[in-house]
Parts: sequence; C-alpha cells; structure tokens
Amino acid sequence: GQQVMQIPQYQHVQEGEDFTTYCNSSTTLSNIQWYKQRPGGHPVFLIQLVKSGEVKKQKRLTFQFGEAKKNSSLHITATQTTDVGTYFCAGQRYYGGSQGNLIFGKGTKLSVKP
Amino acid sequence: DSGVTQTPKHLITATGQRVTLRCSPRSGDLSVYWYQQSLDQGLQFLIHYYNGEERAKGNILERFSAQQFPDLHSELNLSSLELGDSALYFCASSAGQVFNSPLHFGNGTRLTVT
Repeated sequence: GQQVMQIPQYQHVQEGEDFTTYCNSSTTLSNIQWYKQRPGGHPVFLIQLVKSGEVKKQKRLTFQFGEAKKNSSLHITATQTTDVGTYFCAGQRYYGGSQGNLIFGKGTKLSVKP
Repeated sequence: DSGVTQTPKHLITATGQRVTLRCSPRSGDLSVYWYQQSLDQGLQFLIHYYNGEERAKGNILERFSAQQFPDLHSELNLSSLELGDSALYFCASSAGQVFNSPLHFGNGTRLTVT
C-alpha cells in the first residue's frame, strides 16, 4: 500500500541550531500536510502544500513541496525549546480522479537542549 | 482547544472486553476521522465518516466498528480486545468531505488492555 516515509526518526539539537525533517512518498501526492504534536498532546495542523515546488514560510519554519510532488521537507531555523515535539507529514494520493486517504509518516521527534 | 471532544480520556479494560469511544466534532464540521497511535506505528488511519456515511476505510480490524449519528457525533466500538489494541485513539474532524482540508484532532482516548 501507499507509504509515506519520514526521516530522521529522532533529532536532538542544541538550542539555536537548525533542524530539518524529510518526507518521501512512493507515489505522487495531491497535497501534503504537516502537523506538530507536543509531548502528551494531540497533532496540531501547521500547513498544507498543494502546488509542485511550493514553498511556504511561517516565521522560523519553512515548508517545501517537491517538483514531482513526491517529497516534502520542514526546516526550522534557530530552534527554540518551544519547538520540542513530533513533526508529522501526511500525504494524500490521487485515486483515479478522486482523492484518497491521508497517510501519515511516522514522525520526527525533535528534542532541543537549552 | 481544537473544539473536538473525546471521551473518556482514559480507559482500562481486560482482554476480551468491548469498549466504546466517543467523539464530538467541531461545530460545523461534517467529517469525522478515527486514528490509532501506538509507539512504533505512528498515526494509523482507521475510518472516515462524512455526514453520517462511511467514506473511507483504512487499517481497521473487523473487531472494530464505527458510526456517525445524525447529530454528527461518532463512536468507535472495539470488541474482543487484545493486548495489542492498547494505544491512543484520536478522533479528528474537518469541514470538508475529502482529506484536503485540515484535520482538527481531539485530545485522544488512551486505551489500556490488561
């Protein structure tokens, strides 16, 4: 079945360092969404990317959607302790003209050392 | 606060038993989704309902069933419980019928099967 692979599984950084998580799909996606889950919390929607090559920014967060719409990345500049949590990508695939299920990657767990 | 309400927060039960998890979506949202989150499997899509009708099924076991009622709340029924069913079960809602609108997650129900 469709898979969305996310790497790395864990990332430990010093506060102030940058962080990047990557998401790859075996099939072309209609769109990709990113979510953040704080420890003990629930996933919270961050952003959705729809267009090939799309780049969106939210303060220190930069999201990219690949040209082939099979991969995506989330980059955080100068991490802060408030960035701690697990970041999930979720991709939606086309199924013969209709849109399919939203498949989540396994997430990248970010820890930030002050 | 996402506006999605899940009850109960915690559930401890024995193998072989049956439980019901309840979800009230955000006001105005017609779609309800159920996800299972376990430590090593990330967020697994179970099922999607839109305005009372089943729209998509994911990796949902035959022992599990769900429904969405006319008032749009949803229930997930888990029967013949096994130790491996212990997990965090999230409900999410969205305004749209397909997955290309953001999901708003509830706080989850933590199920422990002993």
